[in-house]
Amino acid sequence: KQEVTQIPAALSVPEGENLVLNCSFTDSAIYNLQWFRQDPGKGLTSLLLIQSSQREQTSGRLNASLDKSSGRSTLYIAASQPGDSATYLCAVSSGGGADGLTFGKGTHLIIQP
Amino acid sequence: DVKVTQSSRYLVKRTGEKVFLECVQDMDHENMFWYRQDPGLGLRLIYFSYDVKMKEKGDIPEGYSVSREKKERFSLILESASTNQTSMYLCASSETGILYGYTFGSGTRLTVV
Repeated sequence: KQEVTQIPAALSVPEGENLVLNCSFTDSAIYNLQWFRQDPGKGLTSLLLIQSSQREQTSGRLNASLDKSSGRSTLYIAASQPGDSATYLCAVSSGGGADGLTFGKGTHLIIQP
Repeated sequence: DVKVTQSSRYLVKRTGEKVFLECVQDMDHENMFWYRQDPGLGLRLIYFSYDVKMKEKGDIPEGYSVSREKKERFSLILESASTNQTSMYLCASSETGILYGYTFGSGTRLTVV
C-alpha cells in the first residue's frame, strides 16, 4: 500500500528565506504527484501537478521536482512571505485519477515577518 | 473558474441523526471523492465514485454511505451520526488520466454532539 511521508512536520523561518519541503512515497508506480496548500479551517488549494514523466513544474515562486525512481519530491519556495504561512500537503495518484489520492500528513509552515 | 461546492461550511448534528453532506462540481468530471481530515491522521478516503450510480469503498467506509444520481452531485450520508464522526469533510473531483489533478471543495466542519 502506498505511503507518503512529509518532512519536516513543521517549519518556521524568517521572511525572505528560500525553503524546501520534502515528500517521499514508497511505491514509485505513480501517475502524478500534486502539491496542495491548506489554510486553517479551509479546503485544499492545488499548487502544482507533476506528471510521472516530468521532472519539475514551476509556478511563480514555487518549484516542485519529482524523482520517481527514488520516490521523492520537493517543493521549493523562493523569497518566502508571511502570506505563504499554511500547511502544505503532498499527494500521489496511483490510479490515474480514478481511485483517490494518497496524502502525506503535511508540513505546517510559518513565515515570520 | 472551475468549482467544487460543498453546501455547508459548518454543521452541528445530534448523535443518532441522519446527516447528508452535499457536493456539486461544475467541471463535468467523471470521478468524485469524499475524504475526512483529522488532526494527526491526515486525509483519509471514505468513498469515491467513477460514474453515475457507481461507488467504491475507500479506506474508512464504515458508518457512511454515498449517493451519486447525477454526474455533478455526490452526497455523503451518515446513517446514524456518532461523536467519532466529528471531523472536517472534504469533497473532490477529477478527470481520469495522467494529465489531471484533483480539485477540492472548501470543506464542511461537522460536529456531532
